[in-house]
Amino acid sequence: AQSVSQHNHHVILSEAASLELGCNYSYGGTVNLFWYVQYPGQHLQLLLKYFSGDPLVKGIKGFEAEFIKSKFSFNLRKPSVQWSDTAEYFCAVRANNAGNMLTFGGGTRLMVKP
Amino acid sequence: GAGVSQSPSNKVTEKGKDVELRCDPISGHTALYWYRQSLGQGLEFLIYFQGNSAPDKSGLPSDRFSAERTGGSVSTLTIQRTQQEDSAVYLCASKRGVGDTQYFGPGTRLTVL
Repeated sequence: AQSVSQHNHHVILSEAASLELGCNYSYGGTVNLFWYVQYPGQHLQLLLKYFSGDPLVKGIKGFEAEFIKSKFSFNLRKPSVQWSDTAEYFCAVRANNAGNMLTFGGGTRLMVKP
Repeated sequence: GAGVSQSPSNKVTEKGKDVELRCDPISGHTALYWYRQSLGQGLEFLIYFQGNSAPDKSGLPSDRFSAERTGGSVSTLTIQRTQQEDSAVYLCASKRGVGDTQYFGPGTRLTVL
């Protein structure tokens, strides 16, 4: 069965700092990759997704992620974070033979200090 | 348009009682998922419905958990004889078809005392 690892559980940054959140998955076949965000008191929202094509994916709010197949990674990046980016971020993978379910990482809680 | 809705938003129950959680997916979405998010844990898949096919129940943690989807739309997740470890946020998601994005509801926070 596939698994998803997010190695950073808690990240604290100052505004304008650059962000990179790690996501690694274990599955050798074709995958779809997602980053979701959950702002305090709100439900999960899709930030960006990768299905095929250009491995550098642009999402909402200035986020981007790069799919590196050889490293089984899909790291999330943002050049300059804002206080409003404080949230929990979840990486998710859907393996094509896994019944269409998403497997989520454990989440990374980001706090941006003003 | 309207998103995925769930009710109740919060449920407090006593250990041993049964609870029902409801999910209204986005109209026209054929697939529906239930997940749960326990304190300090990531999201855990529970069950998946796709059209009229038999549901994928592989994520249900025990036989106390069951779910049904009536008429291909509304779904109810039932937990019988609740235990304290069932306390979590239960999330529902729906999507239009294969390859589409899942859209999540706001969740139901279940607390078992």
